[in-house]
Amino acid sequence: IQLTQSPSFLSASVGDRVTITCRASQVISSYLAWYQQRPGKVPKLLIYDASTLQTGVPSRFSGSGSGTEFTLTISSLQPEDFATYYCQQLNSYPLTFGGGTKVEIK
Amino acid sequence: EVQLVESGGGLVQPGGSLRLSCAASGFTFSNFWMSWVRQAPGKGLEWVANIKQDGSEKYYVDSVEGRFTISRDNAKNSLYLQMNSLRAEDTAEYHCTRGGWIQPRAQVSWGQGTLVTVSS
Repeated sequence: IQLTQSPSFLSASVGDRVTITCRASQVISSYLAWYQQRPGKVPKLLIYDASTLQTGVPSRFSGSGSGTEFTLTISSLQPEDFATYYCQQLNSYPLTFGGGTKVEIK
Repeated sequence: EVQLVESGGGLVQPGGSLRLSCAASGFTFSNFWMSWVRQAPGKGLEWVANIKQDGSEKYYVDSVEGRFTISRDNAKNSLYLQMNSLRAEDTAEYHCTRGGWIQPRAQVSWGQGTLVTVSS
C-alpha cells in the first residue's frame, strides 16, 4: 500500500493552523499513524488509528479520516512543531510510511 | 522508562553480513510486538520487519525478504536482526521500536539507532 503525503514541504508561522494530508492507494480503514521527527532526533508517535492521540501528545494535534484519505492538523503551530511529519499505514503488511512533510518556519 | 539500545552496526562490504542487537529495558519485553525501522541518510522512514511477542509471527518488507531475519530472546530482553547479502541500498540508520498495547503495529518507542554502511 502506497501512502502519498501532501504537501511535501510547507512554510508556516507560529500560531498558524496547519493541515497535512495522507492518501492511501487502497482502503486501510482507520489504521493510520502519524509521527513527528525533529532534526537530529528519532521519530515520535503522535496519533494512531487515525485519530487517537498518543499519551503525552499536546491536544493541538489531531487526526481524522478513514478509508483512503487522512489529515493531521496542528491547531496553533508552536516553535517546537517545526519538524518533518510522516504517516504510516498499519492495515496490512508490509507496513509502509508516507514520504514525509517538512514544516518550516516562514 | 522505556529504553531501547541498538548495537552491531558498522561498515560492511556488499554481499556481507551483520547482526544487529537491541537491548530493551523499562518494560516487560515479552508482552510487546517489536520492529526494526530504517532511515537512509537524508531520506524518509522505512519499516523493515516485526515480530510477535512469542516469535511465532514475523513480517518483512519485500526488499529484505529472504535476506534479513528478525528474532528475539525474551529471556535476555533482546531483539535481533540478522542481515545477509547486504546491498548498498541497505545503508541506513536502523532503529529498534516497540509496539503499543492497543495498536501493536504502531512504533510507540524508538531506540537511537545503529548505523549500517554497505560499501566497498
